[in-house]
Amino acid sequence: EAGVAQSPRYKIIEKRQSVAFWCNPISGHATLYWYQQILGQGPKLLIQFQNNGVVDDSQLPKDRFSAERLKGVDSTLKIQPAKLEDSAVYLCASSRGTGGYNEQFFGPGTRLTVL
Amino acid sequence: AQKVTQAQTEISVVEKEDVTLDCVYETRDTTYYLFWYKQPPSGELVFLIRRNSFDEQNEISGRYSWNFQKSTSSFNFTITASQVVDSAVYFCALSGGGYGGATNKLIFGTGTLLAVQP
Repeated sequence: EAGVAQSPRYKIIEKRQSVAFWCNPISGHATLYWYQQILGQGPKLLIQFQNNGVVDDSQLPKDRFSAERLKGVDSTLKIQPAKLEDSAVYLCASSRGTGGYNEQFFGPGTRLTVL
Repeated sequence: AQKVTQAQTEISVVEKEDVTLDCVYETRDTTYYLFWYKQPPSGELVFLIRRNSFDEQNEISGRYSWNFQKSTSSFNFTITASQVVDSAVYFCALSGGGYGGATNKLIFGTGTLLAVQP
């Protein structure tokens, strides 16, 4: 079974520029998550989708971050405009369902550097 | 509020030593789940184990073992006879059951960097 795919793996941008990340979850997984992992910290949930609906976006900075999962499969996360503090690894994960017992499978992440 | 504390920031051991990684959690949920993930230098988080709040049995998987104690809100992870390949950051995480309004999102600790020296 193919794992969670993410691209690009690395991205370097100037502050105030925009950037987008792409995620393809494991086939059949209804739930998709985007996490932000700042260096030296644990991942923090930004947004959770169940199919193409948002379940939790309470920690998403909505003035600059947006995410969509239009067809309930692939997802994109966008930052516009980027700030220096957005430098982090952005992890995508997927699981079969939304119950807390569901194991989340993580992709390799996108390392974003904002200069 | 839910919280996970991993007080050990970094641990360094010599190969073949046993090492225990500590995890203390806080939650008001009656149903919750605890996880351990491994993050090697490649960056991808790898699932190691899941435990639910009603199952306090310890678990052993090869060189890995986990000790879950509700009385002390701890879920510690022990690696026996450590190997260089065990070098990674290890995260403990907590989620609610997702029922009755309890969140099911993963709350991670800050991680413990384990360095196993040859």
